[in-house]
Amino acid sequence: QVRLEESGPGLVKPSETLSLTCTVSGYAITSGFYWGWIRQPPGRGLEWIVTMYHSGTTFYNPSLKSRVTMSVDTSKNQLSLKLDSLTGADTAVYYCARQGPVPQTYYFDQWGLGSLVSVSS
Amino acid sequence: AIQVTQSPSSLSAAVGDSVTITCRASQGIYSALAWYQQKPGMAPRLLIFDASSLQSGVPSRFSGSGSGTQFSLTISGLQPEDVATYFCQQTYSMSVTFGGGTKVEI
Repeated sequence: QVRLEESGPGLVKPSETLSLTCTVSGYAITSGFYWGWIRQPPGRGLEWIVTMYHSGTTFYNPSLKSRVTMSVDTSKNQLSLKLDSLTGADTAVYYCARQGPVPQTYYFDQWGLGSLVSVSS
Repeated sequence: AIQVTQSPSSLSAAVGDSVTITCRASQGIYSALAWYQQKPGMAPRLLIFDASSLQSGVPSRFSGSGSGTQFSLTISGLQPEDVATYFCQQTYSMSVTFGGGTKVEI
């Protein structure tokens, strides 16, 4: 059974960098799927942030690309997300999820529980 | 980027009713559309992929249809546990986009 679990700071100050980790269990992240991050501001819809394959191929939301870094640690079966220059608009629940690897399969079939990040001084 | 417009933004129906949510893509995406259910405080759950394929474990009262630019999700026989917000997502382009969501209430 695939399980994803996000971990992060909860509260970050404006202008600082957010760092989140997603630990995947029950499935090797090298086994053929893409892995992504999606966020959801309180009471609002879903916004895709970034997707990565374990080989390093990365796809970005153009609106966030300049501030986002995603990496994978295959030895720990973990994903990580860094988001720079935070503002209050980045306050959201951040989800990691497994994503299909080819067109028409770009849906997210396994999700973490989410990690609420608040940006405030 | 492919825009995805979902309607209505909210609806209220009675137990046992059939409800339909629609999603329109800004360009043709064949059948590359997925639907998710999100209950309060929980992560989204994949319901349907390829516009009409039911994800394993999803009740058969959920169905999807459509292709090209027009899609719909139907709940046939609404149940109390279906109270949730539903999102569509185009799966044609890796620059992923979601609809704005439809809140379903009873």
